[in-house]
Amino acid sequence: DTGVSQDPRHKITKRGQNVTFRCDPISEHNRLYWYRQTLGQGPEFLTYFQNEAQLEKSRLLSDRFSAERPKGSFSTLEIQRTEQGDSAMYLCASSKRQLAQYFGPGTRLTVL
Amino acid sequence: KNQVEQSPQSLIILEGKNCTLQCNYTVSPFSNLRWYKQDTGRGPVSLTIMTFSENTKSNGRYTATLDADTKQSSLHITASQLSDSASYICVVSSNNDMRFGAGTRLTVKP
Repeated sequence: DTGVSQDPRHKITKRGQNVTFRCDPISEHNRLYWYRQTLGQGPEFLTYFQNEAQLEKSRLLSDRFSAERPKGSFSTLEIQRTEQGDSAMYLCASSKRQLAQYFGPGTRLTVL
Repeated sequence: KNQVEQSPQSLIILEGKNCTLQCNYTVSPFSNLRWYKQDTGRGPVSLTIMTFSENTKSNGRYTATLDADTKQSSLHITASQLSDSASYICVVSSNNDMRFGAGTRLTVKP
Protein backbone atom coordinates (compact mmCIF):
# COMPACT_ATOMS: atom_id res chain seq x y z
CA ASP A 1 0.00 0.00 0.00
CA THR A 2 1.69 3.19 -1.23
CA GLY A 3 -0.67 5.54 0.61
CA VAL A 4 -1.98 7.32 -2.50
CA SER A 5 -5.62 6.52 -3.13
CA GLN A 6 -7.72 7.07 -6.23
CA ASP A 7 -11.44 6.90 -6.73
CA PRO A 8 -13.11 5.32 -8.57
CA ARG A 9 -10.89 2.40 -9.57
CA HIS A 10 -12.94 1.77 -12.68
CA LYS A 11 -15.26 4.01 -14.67
CA ILE A 12 -17.30 3.10 -17.74
CA THR A 13 -19.03 5.96 -19.50
CA LYS A 14 -20.67 6.75 -22.79
CA ARG A 15 -19.03 9.04 -25.29
CA GLY A 16 -19.94 12.66 -24.65
CA GLN A 17 -20.42 12.29 -20.91
CA ASN A 18 -18.33 14.09 -18.30
CA VAL A 19 -16.29 12.17 -15.73
CA THR A 20 -14.41 13.24 -12.61
CA PHE A 21 -11.67 11.35 -10.82
CA ARG A 22 -10.30 11.98 -7.36
CA CYS A 23 -6.82 11.51 -5.96
CA ASP A 24 -5.84 11.64 -2.30
CA PRO A 25 -2.06 11.93 -1.96
CA ILE A 26 0.14 10.97 0.96
CA SER A 27 -0.63 13.62 3.54
CA GLU A 28 2.78 15.30 3.88
CA HIS A 29 3.46 15.36 0.14
CA ASN A 30 3.22 18.81 -1.39
CA ARG A 31 3.51 17.71 -5.02
CA LEU A 32 0.77 15.89 -6.90
CA TYR A 33 0.97 14.57 -10.45
CA TRP A 34 -1.53 13.21 -12.96
CA TYR A 35 -0.52 10.76 -15.69
CA ARG A 36 -2.31 8.85 -18.41
CA GLN A 37 -1.25 5.36 -19.39
CA THR A 38 -2.43 3.32 -22.33
CA LEU A 39 -1.90 -0.40 -22.71
CA GLY A 40 1.73 -1.38 -23.18
CA GLN A 41 3.05 2.13 -22.71
CA GLY A 42 4.68 3.98 -19.87
CA PRO A 43 2.78 6.75 -18.11
CA GLU A 44 2.44 10.07 -19.96
CA PHE A 45 2.64 13.23 -17.90
CA LEU A 46 -0.51 15.37 -17.83
CA THR A 47 -0.06 17.98 -15.11
CA TYR A 48 1.36 18.62 -11.67
CA PHE A 49 0.62 20.72 -8.62
CA GLN A 50 2.83 22.09 -5.93
CA ASN A 51 0.47 22.64 -3.05
CA GLU A 52 -2.61 24.23 -4.65
CA ALA A 53 -0.77 25.76 -7.61
CA GLN A 54 -0.90 24.02 -10.96
CA LEU A 55 2.65 24.54 -12.20
CA GLU A 56 2.81 22.59 -15.42
CA LYS A 57 0.41 21.21 -18.00
CA SER A 58 1.23 18.87 -20.85
CA ARG A 59 0.08 19.45 -24.40
CA LEU A 60 -1.85 16.21 -23.90
CA LEU A 61 -4.15 18.11 -21.55
CA SER A 62 -6.67 19.46 -24.04
CA ASP A 63 -9.30 22.03 -23.10
CA ARG A 64 -11.66 19.17 -22.27
CA PHE A 65 -9.43 18.25 -19.33
CA SER A 66 -9.24 20.23 -16.13
CA ALA A 67 -7.49 19.48 -12.87
CA GLU A 68 -7.82 21.16 -9.52
CA ARG A 69 -6.24 20.92 -6.11
CA PRO A 70 -8.22 23.55 -4.23
CA LYS A 71 -6.76 23.17 -0.75
CA GLY A 72 -3.43 21.67 -1.61
CA SER A 73 -4.55 18.22 -0.49
CA PHE A 74 -6.76 16.05 -2.70
CA SER A 75 -7.04 16.67 -6.43
CA THR A 76 -9.69 16.09 -9.06
CA LEU A 77 -9.29 15.48 -12.77
CA GLU A 78 -12.35 16.16 -14.91
CA ILE A 79 -12.80 15.14 -18.52
CA GLN A 80 -15.64 16.81 -20.36
CA ARG A 81 -17.35 15.42 -23.45
CA THR A 82 -15.39 12.18 -23.26
CA GLU A 83 -14.14 10.56 -26.45
CA GLN A 84 -13.19 6.93 -27.08
CA GLY A 85 -9.57 8.01 -27.28
CA ASP A 86 -9.76 9.06 -23.64
CA SER A 87 -9.97 5.41 -22.61
CA ALA A 88 -6.87 4.77 -20.52
CA MET A 89 -5.55 4.32 -17.00
CA TYR A 90 -5.30 7.64 -15.18
CA LEU A 91 -2.59 7.56 -12.55
CA CYS A 92 -2.01 9.97 -9.72
CA ALA A 93 1.30 10.26 -7.89
CA SER A 94 2.56 12.39 -5.03
CA SER A 95 5.96 13.35 -3.72
CA LYS A 96 7.64 15.50 -1.15
CA ARG A 97 9.46 18.17 -3.13
CA GLN A 98 11.53 16.45 -5.85
CA LEU A 99 11.85 13.12 -4.07
CA ALA A 100 10.52 9.81 -5.35
CA GLN A 101 6.94 9.76 -6.57
CA TYR A 102 4.50 7.33 -5.03
CA PHE A 103 1.77 6.21 -7.38
CA GLY A 104 -1.84 5.42 -6.65
CA PRO A 105 -3.61 2.35 -8.04
CA GLY A 106 -5.06 4.31 -10.94
CA THR A 107 -8.52 4.81 -12.37
CA ARG A 108 -9.33 2.73 -15.43
CA LEU A 109 -11.58 4.72 -17.78
CA THR A 110 -13.50 3.03 -20.56
CA VAL A 111 -15.42 5.24 -22.97
CA LEU A 112 -18.01 3.35 -25.01
CA LYS B 1 11.82 9.55 -30.53
CA ASN B 2 11.40 8.69 -26.87
CA GLN B 3 14.25 9.93 -24.71
CA VAL B 4 14.10 6.73 -22.68
CA GLU B 5 14.30 3.45 -24.59
CA GLN B 6 13.83 0.09 -22.91
CA SER B 7 14.64 -3.36 -24.17
CA PRO B 8 13.46 -5.95 -24.63
CA GLN B 9 9.84 -4.95 -25.06
CA SER B 10 8.78 -8.25 -23.54
CA LEU B 11 10.54 -11.21 -21.98
CA ILE B 12 9.48 -14.69 -20.89
CA ILE B 13 11.65 -16.67 -18.49
CA LEU B 14 11.30 -19.75 -16.33
CA GLU B 15 10.93 -19.47 -12.60
CA GLY B 16 14.30 -19.46 -10.84
CA LYS B 17 16.20 -18.01 -13.80
CA ASN B 18 17.93 -14.63 -13.86
CA CYS B 19 17.25 -11.86 -16.33
CA THR B 20 18.50 -8.39 -17.21
CA LEU B 21 16.45 -5.50 -18.51
CA GLN B 22 18.01 -2.56 -20.32
CA CYS B 23 17.34 1.16 -20.32
CA ASN B 24 19.10 3.66 -22.59
CA TYR B 25 18.40 7.33 -22.31
CA THR B 26 19.28 10.64 -23.91
CA VAL B 27 17.74 12.86 -21.24
CA SER B 28 19.99 15.77 -20.31
CA PRO B 29 20.86 17.15 -17.86
CA PHE B 30 20.61 14.04 -15.75
CA SER B 31 19.22 14.17 -12.23
CA ASN B 32 18.38 10.58 -11.30
CA LEU B 33 17.12 7.29 -12.71
CA ARG B 34 14.43 5.13 -11.17
CA TRP B 35 13.18 1.66 -11.89
CA TYR B 36 9.52 0.98 -11.17
CA LYS B 37 7.62 -2.30 -11.08
CA GLN B 38 4.04 -2.15 -12.28
CA ASP B 39 1.68 -5.06 -11.77
CA THR B 40 -1.18 -5.34 -14.22
CA GLY B 41 -3.93 -2.87 -13.35
CA ARG B 42 -1.92 -1.25 -10.57
CA GLY B 43 0.16 1.88 -10.21
CA PRO B 44 3.98 1.69 -10.51
CA VAL B 45 5.98 0.97 -7.36
CA SER B 46 9.52 2.26 -6.95
CA LEU B 47 12.29 -0.36 -6.84
CA THR B 48 15.47 1.72 -6.92
CA ILE B 49 16.62 5.27 -7.43
CA MET B 50 20.13 6.12 -8.60
CA THR B 51 21.93 9.42 -8.85
CA PHE B 52 24.84 10.37 -11.08
CA SER B 53 27.51 9.11 -8.70
CA GLU B 54 25.98 5.69 -8.07
CA ASN B 55 26.97 2.73 -10.23
CA THR B 56 24.93 0.01 -8.62
CA LYS B 57 22.11 -0.33 -6.13
CA SER B 58 20.35 -3.42 -4.85
CA ASN B 59 16.89 -4.02 -3.45
CA GLY B 60 16.59 -7.68 -2.53
CA ARG B 61 16.75 -9.74 -5.70
CA TYR B 62 16.75 -6.59 -7.83
CA THR B 63 20.07 -4.95 -8.74
CA ALA B 64 20.21 -1.81 -10.83
CA THR B 65 23.33 -0.49 -12.53
CA LEU B 66 24.00 2.91 -14.02
CA ASP B 67 26.65 4.05 -16.48
CA ALA B 68 26.17 7.80 -16.70
CA ASP B 69 28.88 8.11 -19.36
CA THR B 70 27.13 5.82 -21.84
CA LYS B 71 23.68 6.76 -20.47
CA GLN B 72 22.71 3.17 -19.88
CA SER B 73 21.08 1.41 -16.98
CA SER B 74 20.16 -2.19 -16.35
CA LEU B 75 17.92 -3.98 -13.90
CA HIS B 76 19.02 -7.50 -13.01
CA ILE B 77 16.55 -9.86 -11.39
CA THR B 78 18.04 -12.88 -9.63
CA ALA B 79 16.26 -16.18 -9.00
CA SER B 80 13.02 -14.99 -10.54
CA GLN B 81 9.69 -15.75 -8.92
CA LEU B 82 6.21 -15.93 -10.39
CA SER B 83 5.38 -12.69 -8.58
CA ASP B 84 8.05 -10.91 -10.60
CA SER B 85 5.71 -11.02 -13.59
CA ALA B 86 5.01 -7.36 -14.24
CA SER B 87 6.07 -4.39 -16.33
CA TYR B 88 9.33 -2.73 -15.37
CA ILE B 89 9.53 0.94 -16.18
CA CYS B 90 12.67 3.06 -16.35
CA VAL B 91 12.20 6.73 -15.46
CA VAL B 92 14.88 9.37 -15.96
CA SER B 93 14.58 12.73 -14.25
CA SER B 94 16.02 16.00 -15.44
CA ASN B 95 15.48 18.89 -13.01
CA ASN B 96 11.68 19.04 -12.76
CA ASP B 97 11.03 16.84 -15.79
CA MET B 98 10.54 13.07 -15.75
CA ARG B 99 10.74 10.87 -18.83
CA PHE B 100 9.18 7.43 -18.78
CA GLY B 101 10.23 4.46 -20.84
CA ALA B 102 7.54 2.26 -22.37
CA GLY B 103 8.50 -0.57 -20.05
CA THR B 104 9.55 -4.19 -20.38
CA ARG B 105 6.80 -6.74 -19.86
CA LEU B 106 8.29 -9.68 -17.91
CA THR B 107 6.47 -12.98 -17.64
CA VAL B 108 7.84 -15.64 -15.29
CA LYS B 109 6.53 -19.13 -16.01
CA PRO B 110 6.63 -22.12 -13.67
